Amino acid sequence: DAGVIQSPRHEVTEMGQEVTLRCKPISGHDYLFWYRQTMMRGLELLIYFNNNVPIDDSGMPEDRFSAKMPNASFSTLKIQPSEPRDSAVYFCASSTRQGTDTQYFGPGTRLTVL
Amino acid sequence: SQQGEEDPQALSIQEGENATMNCSYKTSINNLQWYRQNSGRGLVHLILIRSNEREKHSGRLRVTLDTSKKSSSLLITASRAADTASYFCASDQGAQKLVFGQGTRLTINP
Repeated sequence: DAGVIQSPRHEVTEMGQEVTLRCKPISGHDYLFWYRQTMMRGLELLIYFNNNVPIDDSGMPEDRFSAKMPNASFSTLKIQPSEPRDSAVYFCASSTRQGTDTQYFGPGTRLTVL
Repeated sequence: SQQGEEDPQALSIQEGENATMNCSYKTSINNLQWYRQNSGRGLVHLILIRSNEREKHSGRLRVTLDTSKKSSSLLITASRAADTASYFCASDQGAQKLVFGQGTRLTINP
């Protein structure tokens, strides 16, 4: 299996632009998680899905952030409009059966908002 | 805050020595996991210990769990340069999600 796939790996954009991050989970995994990692705040859970349905989005910082999972093999995290404080590494992770089983992380997308 | 606490924040040792990292959490848990993150990479699962277990081994890794103290420790024996990474604990506190600690940055000096 190729593991969790994220794209792009790096994104540099200007403040106010829309940013879309993409994730393909491991086939057969029922749970998908979006995390954000910064030096100041560490690893934060933004939102997670179970069987394509958003279960908990309490970690989404603002209405500027939205996430979708149209099918079992694809999810997006969108920021519109982006701001410099959104600069971070965004990780997608997936897991089987229960969200608290082993999570498999993608390589991350490093986002820089100028 | 959703964060657990790890101690120390950074650790630097010589190759061949043992490295011990500690993790504390605030509420009762179902299980606790340890992950490793190499620079610029995603997190990689190392080991999971359930709340009814006290100790678990995997290769050079030894994890202990003390639910009465709400703490866990990760021991890496006979460290190697390739063990240089950040190490995170993650606790299952219910609600189908993990709570990650802030991590310990481990540096192994040759």
